[in-house]
Amino acid sequence: GESVGLHLPTLSVQEGDNSIINCAYSNSASDYFIWYKQESGKGPQFIIDIRSNMDKRQGQRVTVLLNKTVKHLSLQIAATQPGDSAVYFCAENSGTSYDKVIFGPGTSLSVIP
Amino acid sequence: GAVVSQHPSWVICKSGTSVKIECRSLDFQATTMFWYRQFPKQSLMLMATSNEGSKATYEQGVEKDKFLINHASLTLSTLTVTSAHPEDSSFYICSAIPGTANEKLFFGSGTQLSVL
Repeated sequence: GESVGLHLPTLSVQEGDNSIINCAYSNSASDYFIWYKQESGKGPQFIIDIRSNMDKRQGQRVTVLLNKTVKHLSLQIAATQPGDSAVYFCAENSGTSYDKVIFGPGTSLSVIP
Repeated sequence: GAVVSQHPSWVICKSGTSVKIECRSLDFQATTMFWYRQFPKQSLMLMATSNEGSKATYEQGVEKDKFLINHASLTLSTLTVTSAHPEDSSFYICSAIPGTANEKLFFGSGTQLSVL
């Protein structure tokens, strides 16, 4: 099966600070990208998505930035809260189908109260 | 939002037995569902695409005779791990898409399989 990466990088931030989680995607044909949050023992939860015809999209306390030139995606979380502690995955559609989504390696975010 | 229910949430079985995991779309119909597996501290790995009324499409390296997928209705897909071994112990997650034009995947809560 397809997978990217074997180990989770970690990011620790102070409560109230902004968090930036980065992701490099692999497929230049991908045109739809999603960020998911996964808490321990649970399935991924949709956070925000972006199409390749955009370079920025904002949600509630979250912003996704897309740089297609260098195939880079980032998730910014404003005023990080303890409830934001989780593993965050970027995901891209397969390039052949919108439905088939491939996950990146993930980043573990730990918020320090 | 759309709800995907997965059952059981955890299962312990003996080596050599088979285990069936169910994935249901509760408030929408899903012609396509996806099965992932996830090892501790790793990412989700796509195993197969489950298509209602037809054979599943397996990713490279995934044994189709080991991981049997049945998608007999628009709201239910099942994954059966046959002759389970300890190395099959993992977190299995399903996902589904409401309708045919919505790219957003909704995920089940996952099934933790432990094979003794």
